[in-house]
Parts: sequence; structure tokens; C-alpha cells
Amino acid sequence: DVKVTQSSRYLVKRTGEKVFLECVQDMDHENMFWYRQDPGLGLRLIYFSYDVKMKEKGDIPEGYSVSREKKERFSLILESASTNQTSMYLCASSLFGTGIVFGPGTRLTVL
Amino acid sequence: KQEVTQIPAALSVPEGENLVLNCSFTDSAIYNLQWFRQDPGKGLTSLLLIQSSQREQTSGRLNASLDKSSGRSTLYIAASQPGDSATYLCAVRGGRGSARQLTFGSGTQLTVLP
Repeated sequence: DVKVTQSSRYLVKRTGEKVFLECVQDMDHENMFWYRQDPGLGLRLIYFSYDVKMKEKGDIPEGYSVSREKKERFSLILESASTNQTSMYLCASSLFGTGIVFGPGTRLTVL
Repeated sequence: KQEVTQIPAALSVPEGENLVLNCSFTDSAIYNLQWFRQDPGKGLTSLLLIQSSQREQTSGRLNASLDKSSGRSTLYIAASQPGDSATYLCAVRGGRGSARQLTFGSGTQLTVLP
């Protein structure tokens, strides 16, 4: 059963901490995505990657960075977490032109 | 810029009813359209994917249609059950610019009453 996995379902961090969210897919997909989802704002794209070491900014990249050193792994990094980054973070992957597959999500709380 | 709208935002129906969820989009030049289900606090589960050359897709009690010329898709759920209660989102993969980006609707929250 193909899947996207995320390293944590729930995470609590302090303001100013560096936070790593990891995502792994086992489908050999070329594209990987990071979204955040907030009530009333829907899904917003943070970054996506279409190949190893390649990345493009999405709609709300400020305060985030990403890393894709291997095809199956896409990491989201919060350099200095802030309370307004409290959110549900969703990783996803796809092949060009096919459907997108989402992970289970990470609920991040920044105190 | 592609815009995707889902109306209504919320829908409540009694168990057993057939129902239709709507999704409209402004740019008809799309690669595909995908319907998802999301349970509270969970990720998105893909239900159906319709390629731009297709008119409909079926899976069990679900049927999704696509009319590119009018910028509309519908998700038909037959004989609804309480377990169908969830938020349903549609997403359009664009045909211009970066084809890897999706535009999501804001979803329809469905409640099926027993």
C-alpha cells in the first residue's frame, strides 16, 4: 500500500526553536509538497519540489525553508518558530499529471 | 489565477439520501480534478481523480463528473451513510504555468444524520 508518512502526528515547540518536519514517500514520486491548513484559510502551499535538490516557493514561504536531498524525503524547516506558525502541516507527493497523495498531517503547536 | 469554489460550505442530510456536492473553477484549461475527503484532525484521502479528457469517474457509491467548458465538477454520493460525514474538498491541477500546483476549494462539510 503506497503511502506518505510524516514524522510526527503532534508536536509542541517553544517560540524561537528550530523545528524540523519530515516527510517520506515510498511511491518514487517526483513532486513533493508542503501545505499548511488553518480554519477559514483552507490549504495554503508553502513550498514544493519537483526533483532532488530543486524547490520552488509556494504562496506563503516566509519563515520556512525546505530540503530535499533524496527523492523520497522532503523536510520542512521552521528556522525560528513563532506562535503564528501553529497549524496543521500536510505533506503530499505526486507524479506529474497524476493525483496527489497526502500524508496524515502534523499538528504543530508553538507556545 | 485559478479560483475554485465549493458551495454549499456545509450540508446536513438524513441517512439514505442521495446528494450532490458542487465544485466550480474559473480557468477551464486544467490537467485534472481530484476529490478528497478529510476527517477532523486528519490528512486528505483521495476519492476520485478525473483527467481533463474524461467526463466522469466512479468508485462504489461515489460518482464524480467533470464539465470543463462550464468549469464545473460534481460529486454524487448515493445512499448516504453516517460514516460519510466529513469535509469534502475538490482540487484542480492547472494547465498554465506550473502544472505541479493544485488549487483547492474551501470544502463542503457534510453531516449525514442517522
